[in-house]
Amino acid sequence: ETGVTQSPTHLIKTRGQQVTLRCSSQSGHNTVSWYQQALGQGPQFIFQYYREEENGRGNFPPRFSGLQFPNYSSELNVNALELDDSALYLCASTRGGRTDTQYFGPGTRLTVL
Amino acid sequence: AQKVTQAQTEISVVEKEDVTLDCVYETRDTTYYLFWYKQPPSGELVFLIRRNSFDEQNEISGRYSWNFQKSTSSFNFTITASQVVDSAVYFCALSEAGKAAGNKLTFGGGTRVLVKP
Repeated sequence: ETGVTQSPTHLIKTRGQQVTLRCSSQSGHNTVSWYQQALGQGPQFIFQYYREEENGRGNFPPRFSGLQFPNYSSELNVNALELDDSALYLCASTRGGRTDTQYFGPGTRLTVL
Repeated sequence: AQKVTQAQTEISVVEKEDVTLDCVYETRDTTYYLFWYKQPPSGELVFLIRRNSFDEQNEISGRYSWNFQKSTSSFNFTITASQVVDSAVYFCALSEAGKAAGNKLTFGGGTRVLVKP
């Protein structure tokens, strides 16, 4: 148990819809990173939030956006869903140092039909 | 750009056999961090080890051991006397220090380990 929680566990959406995924970080952690893991592949970095501001972004289009709240929980929003967005979305938290270990939540499985 | 390669996509062993997972990485930085994570069928990534680029000492933790060789840019992972509970996908990952993008992790494609009774 890492203390990182995510909701919902599973989600089914249709193409063109919008989705919001949520993450609560481990106590004492102020940095949250989001990753997308397609079936059979390694996780891909989407973006990171540090003290409520975006602190780096991977190669994902602007329809992937996020928020971090004062309690360091976070949301990942995806607009105009595409079939290729079907994946496991993983959230990871760290204490905030650039080199700290990231601890992952159980993930949200998103299926886009 | 940084890159992590795990050439073995799947390894199948019989319980009590040893299994070694290969990881080769590419980076231009002199300071970086390497990680191994385990992903059981439940999906959660479980942290196993973190090693910085200045520490080339091998490490052993129970049945797990890691061999870091900077000269060959490799960070291999061995499970000794494998057990059925070791069945999972294992990921090697790299993080570069001092980047504006924070400590993003670059993952390899993973190696699926199947331990048969």
